Amino acid sequence: EAQVTQNPRYLITVTGKKLTVTCSQNMNHEYMSWYRQDPGLGLRQIYYSMNVEVTDKGDVPEGYKVSRKEKRNFPLILESPSPNQTSLYFCASSLYPQYFGPGTRLLVL
Amino acid sequence: DQQVKQNSPSLSVQEGRISILNCDYTNSMFDYFLWYKKYPAEGPTFLISISSIKDKNEDGRFTVFLNKSAKHLSLHIVPSQPGDSAVYFCAAKSTLIDINAGNMLTFGGGTRLMVKP
Repeated sequence: EAQVTQNPRYLITVTGKKLTVTCSQNMNHEYMSWYRQDPGLGLRQIYYSMNVEVTDKGDVPEGYKVSRKEKRNFPLILESPSPNQTSLYFCASSLYPQYFGPGTRLLVL
Repeated sequence: DQQVKQNSPSLSVQEGRISILNCDYTNSMFDYFLWYKKYPAEGPTFLISISSIKDKNEDGRFTVFLNKSAKHLSLHIVPSQPGDSAVYFCAAKSTLIDINAGNMLTFGGGTRLMVKP
């Protein structure tokens, strides 16, 4: 089944404790991206990757890192999470239309 | 400043009636528009799109209308069904932006549709 998977689906952490949210797609898409969804603001792009080893900032990259060492994986790294990063995160692959993962709900205390 | 706005955070409709979800945009460079549907605990899924060379696109019960002069688009669902209850996002992009820019879509804030049986 063609899909985008994310792990974990839910995460509660504390300020400053590094975390990684994994994203994987099995559709051989070159383009992948990360979004965060906040009430009333819709989805805002954090980072995107056009291909392996090619990543760039989206609209709200501050406090996040990404890497793209393999085509199928695109992890999102929060080196020192802060409460304002509490949000619902989505990974997506492909350009149009974009295929979204199921989301990761993150709470930073 | 949000370039894509969905001014109605929620909409309630009776089953069988028409649902109309609205979306306004400010960037005149936008020339391609998409609607996504999102159920709880799931990621958004693509629903329907329209290019600015058209003013209407239809797919089954779903029709999207585009009014370029008003910078307004709407999604019509006829007839509405309880399974349509979800959050709907409109999104826009400009094909004139270098594809390598990567930041492809600008999303609205979403409208929660509730279809009552």
